[in-house]
Amino acid sequence: NAGVTQTPKFQVLKTGQSMTLQCAQDMNHNSMYWYRQDPGMGLRLIYYSASEGTTDKGEVPNGYNVSRLNKREFSLRLESAAPSQTSVYFCASRDRGTETQYFGPGTRLLVL
Amino acid sequence: GENVEQHPSTLSVQEGDSAVIKCTYSDSASNYFPWYKQELGKGPQLIIDIRSNVGEKKDQRIAVTLNKTAKHFSLHITETQPEDSAVYFCAVGPSGSTLGRLYFGRGTQLTVWP
Repeated sequence: NAGVTQTPKFQVLKTGQSMTLQCAQDMNHNSMYWYRQDPGMGLRLIYYSASEGTTDKGEVPNGYNVSRLNKREFSLRLESAAPSQTSVYFCASRDRGTETQYFGPGTRLLVL
Repeated sequence: GENVEQHPSTLSVQEGDSAVIKCTYSDSASNYFPWYKQELGKGPQLIIDIRSNVGEKKDQRIAVTLNKTAKHFSLHITETQPEDSAVYFCAVGPSGSTLGRLYFGRGTQLTVWP
């Protein structure tokens, strides 16, 4: 039982490049989330998905797109990266019964 | 949306002392209040949570208290140890929701000195 996994662990991009952050969970959770973490800003929700086939915008969705590929996988795409998107990105999934969100190890993204 | 404020942003204590972190929130309909601990280089992990039908919950050295009238809740860590050093986040959300969206505070960096 790996929990929530994220790839890659670290990425450097040039302004304007695109990339997809991958997330998968093996706990059979319906809800999944993407957050970004910046110094002094806490965790801010980018997008979330209550179930397969549905996605909703969070607090800071501009510049991002998401895909809920199936129940296990929820990807985050940056179409044209900007230096303001330099951050640590966390994916999480939620146990509906306990309401606990389980976080992945994060992806550290640097946009030059 | 919900507005969550967390204080202090940094906290240094001597090993064995107690640490208290406080959060306030704005939406009186919120009724789920978890606390997460984030160790360096890792994702946040739930350490304790409370729902609005109780005023206090304790798990060994950690406890959370909730004052729904005043819309604030606190994390208490007693007999602190160096391994308690981490960033702690409070969060607020609606209990029983399908979406399960949480609003996080900005975090408290706790340092426990041996």
